[in-house]
Amino acid sequence: EAGVAQSPRYKIIEKRQSVAFWCNPISGHATLYWYQQILGQGPKLLIQFQNNGVVDDSQLPKDRFSAERLKGVDSTLKIQPAKLEDSAVYLCASSRRGTGGMNEQYFGPGTRLTVT
Amino acid sequence: EDQVTQSPEALRLQEGESSSLNCSYTVSGLRGLFWYRQDPGKGPEFLFTLYSAGEEKEKERLKATLTKKESFLHITAPKPEDSATYLCAVQAENFNKFYFGSGTKLNVKP
Repeated sequence: EAGVAQSPRYKIIEKRQSVAFWCNPISGHATLYWYQQILGQGPKLLIQFQNNGVVDDSQLPKDRFSAERLKGVDSTLKIQPAKLEDSAVYLCASSRRGTGGMNEQYFGPGTRLTVT
Repeated sequence: EDQVTQSPEALRLQEGESSSLNCSYTVSGLRGLFWYRQDPGKGPEFLFTLYSAGEEKEKERLKATLTKKESFLHITAPKPEDSATYLCAVQAENFNKFYFGSGTKLNVKP
């Protein structure tokens, strides 16, 4: 079974530029998550999708971050405009069950973003 | 406020020296507790899920236990390849939200 795919793996941009990350979850997984992991910290949930609907985006900075999950499969996370404090690893994860069940999440390798 | 606290932040062990990592949590109803291993430059790798107090899970040299307030990850006779950051996460009944701790960075010396 193929794992969660993410691209790009690394991205360096200047502040105020925009950037987009892509995620392809494990086939058949209903729920998709985007996390932000700052160096030395645990992952922080940004947004959670079930199929193509948003379940929780309470910690997503909506003035600059946006995310979508087209047709309930792939997802993109966008930052526009980027700030220095957005430098982090952006992790995508997926889980088989919907939000009603206990969900073991499987993570992709992450995208390391550096904002200069 | 729902939160997860892991201790210690870092742990250095000699090969073969057993120890335990702690994850304490406060959530408004626990749906599940998860342990992950994260190697540098990689995403977290799923290890265990625990659902209720008293439950235990084992995998090779690792054993996870759960009480009503905390979970322990016991490492028996660790090897250098066990060196990694171990993350604990909880899923709360409140909107099924997930909360991660900051992790324990384990370094096992040969």
